[in-house]
Amino acid sequence: EDQVTQSPEALRLQEGESSSLNCSYTVSGLRGLFWYRQDPGKGPEFLFTLYSAGEEKEKERLKATLTKKESFLHITAPKPEDSATYLCAVQAGTNAGKSTFGDGTTLTVKP
Amino acid sequence: KAGVTQTPRYLIKTRGQQVTLSCSPISGHRSVSWYQQTPGQGLQFLFEYFSETQRNKGNFPGRFSGRQFSNSRSEMNVSTLELGDSALYLCACTRRADGGEAFFGQGTRLTVV
Repeated sequence: EDQVTQSPEALRLQEGESSSLNCSYTVSGLRGLFWYRQDPGKGPEFLFTLYSAGEEKEKERLKATLTKKESFLHITAPKPEDSATYLCAVQAGTNAGKSTFGDGTTLTVKP
Repeated sequence: KAGVTQTPRYLIKTRGQQVTLSCSPISGHRSVSWYQQTPGQGLQFLFEYFSETQRNKGNFPGRFSGRQFSNSRSEMNVSTLELGDSALYLCACTRRADGGEAFFGQGTRLTVV
C-alpha cells in the first residue's frame, strides 16, 4: 500500500526565515509526486509535479525537489501570505486518477 | 476558465438520512475523483471515475457510492449517514486519463447531527 508521511506537522517561521518541508514516500512504481497548497475552507491548489529523482521545480519563493525516497519543499524568505497547509501526494502503479496524500504541514509565517 | 464546481457548499443532515453531492469538472477533464477530508484522517480517497466508469475505489463502506454522467459531471451519495461522516468532501478532476495534477473544487462541508 502506498504511504506518504509529511514532517513537521506544523512549522512557525518569522517572515524572511527560510526552511524546508519534508515528504517521504513508499510506493510501488512512482508515476508522479505532487505538491499542493490548501488555505482554510478551500480545496487544495496545485503547485508542482515531480516525476523522477533529481528533478527540481521552482515557483516564486518555493522550490520542490525529489529523491528516490523523499521530496522537499523549500521556502525561501517566506511572507505571511505563504501561510497555508502544504500537502504532498503520490500517484503510483496502475491506479490512474488515484492520489495518496500525506497529512500535510501547516505553515505559519509571522510578520 | 471555469474551475471545478461543487454543490452544495454546506449541508446539515441527521443521522440515518442520505445525501447526494454534485461536482462539475473543468471542461474537457474526464477523470473525476472524490476525497473525504477530516482533521484526524487527512485526505482519504473515495473513488475515481473516467468516462462514466469507476476505475478505482478506496477503503470506504458500501454506503458511499458515486456515478459519472456522459458530460463528466459526477455525484456521490452517502446513505444511512453516521456522525463520523461529518467531513469536507472534495472533488478533483484531471485532464489526462492516466492521472497527473488534480484540480480541486471548494468542497462540500457535510455536518451530520
